[in-house]
Amino acid sequence: GAGVSQSPRYKVAKRGQDVALRCDPISGHVSLFWYQQALGQGPEFLTYFQNEAQLDKSGLPSDRFFAERPEGSVSTLKIQRTQQEDSAVYLCASSQTRLGGGTQYFGPGTRLTVL
Amino acid sequence: AQSVTQLGSHVSVSEGALVLLRCNYSSSVPPYLFWYVQYPNQGLQLLLKYTSAATLVKGINGFEAEFKKSETSFHLTKPSAHMSDAAEYFCAVLLFGNEKLTFGTGTRLTIIP
Repeated sequence: GAGVSQSPRYKVAKRGQDVALRCDPISGHVSLFWYQQALGQGPEFLTYFQNEAQLDKSGLPSDRFFAERPEGSVSTLKIQRTQQEDSAVYLCASSQTRLGGGTQYFGPGTRLTVL
Repeated sequence: AQSVTQLGSHVSVSEGALVLLRCNYSSSVPPYLFWYVQYPNQGLQLLLKYTSAATLVKGINGFEAEFKKSETSFHLTKPSAHMSDAAEYFCAVLLFGNEKLTFGTGTRLTIIP
């Protein structure tokens, strides 16, 4: 496809369930990012990959959050034992360059609601 | 650490009027600066970005922004608002060599017919 795609678009989970969110970046893009956007707020950085290497995970809020990109393309963000405060839109972005300043192209996001 | 402040969480303008959305940043070194637009239930779309070339940056849909180092500002403007401009707008900053974007809290733009 031409852009970043994410699935599912909507996810409802009961508190305590595990969820997995998928991101398909633009083909050939080296860098991949995950952001969390709470209601009424701007996106906040979670983690960053360059190819398959996770270079920065400083934004992950707890050890219940885990991200991987094993083959340097598709990425999965996993949240274990979901809590109500995890409810948010999770945005994935990809960038062509390894250098800072490259344009990040965003997917439509996955809206997670934890009941 | 860098940060971004967007003044005015809600801005309303009449159709055809000037749009001005304010963004101020704090950074110890000159950053890269971005404006993104978000329509309901969609991801972020890049409007324009500043990367230390020309201080006046032109973007898509008739928007432009001017980098003013002395004021640490990067305000977004459009001479004449259109109904289709109604959306949420985010200013973001990125330091060279640092990959993560830091976003402001956003400004919701409403266009009055």
